[in-house]
Amino acid sequence: GAGVSQSPRYKVTKRGQDVTLRCDPISSHATLYWYQQALGQGPEFLTYFNYEAQPDKSGLPSDRFSAERPEGSISTLTIQRTEQRDSAMYRCASSLAEGQPQHFGDGTRLSIL
Amino acid sequence: GESVGLHLPTLSVQEGDNSIINCAYSNSASDYFIWYKQESGKGPQFIIDIRSNMDKRQGQRVTVLLNKTVKHLSLQIAATQPGDSAVYFCAENAGGTSYGKLTFGQGTILTVHP
Repeated sequence: GAGVSQSPRYKVTKRGQDVTLRCDPISSHATLYWYQQALGQGPEFLTYFNYEAQPDKSGLPSDRFSAERPEGSISTLTIQRTEQRDSAMYRCASSLAEGQPQHFGDGTRLSIL
Repeated sequence: GESVGLHLPTLSVQEGDNSIINCAYSNSASDYFIWYKQESGKGPQFIIDIRSNMDKRQGQRVTVLLNKTVKHLSLQIAATQPGDSAVYFCAENAGGTSYGKLTFGQGTILTVHP
């Protein structure tokens, strides 16, 4: 597609529920990234993929967070047993390859009640 | 849209002036740097990047300067326009085992007055 597309744009859920966020990267981009952004701060790295491979998931806050990119294109970020502290903007980015400029989507605003 | 924290550094300029936004980075191993512009309610938008083998790079109305000695990065915007008003973030990548990970600075709010 023309840009990175994320869905849903907003997600409100109750504490304890599982949520799955979706990212559709720019077509032909090999590398896909997930970040978490709190209000007034820069994005914080969660994990990234080169095609299907996930070289680095060091930024995932706990084992409740997981990400997949099974066919090397669309990716999902799943948060199990959500907690209020998980409330944030979740941003996806993609790039042609590692070490190339990352282009961001408009994010999913997650609110945990 | 998103609101930004009041603790962010701010820069206020008049339309037509040149703007300089500064960023200090801490990781001496960082070898790739990017400037992003973020408008309210939107994701960060790529402006310009620079690698550590360069100390200056120019784009359209923007220049990035890198001083590795003091670990300092700056973004210069020429003839600033009201549409340049946004939060600006610098980001760095240390390469090595994770060329995918960007570490973002705290951001600077740029306000351009007509």
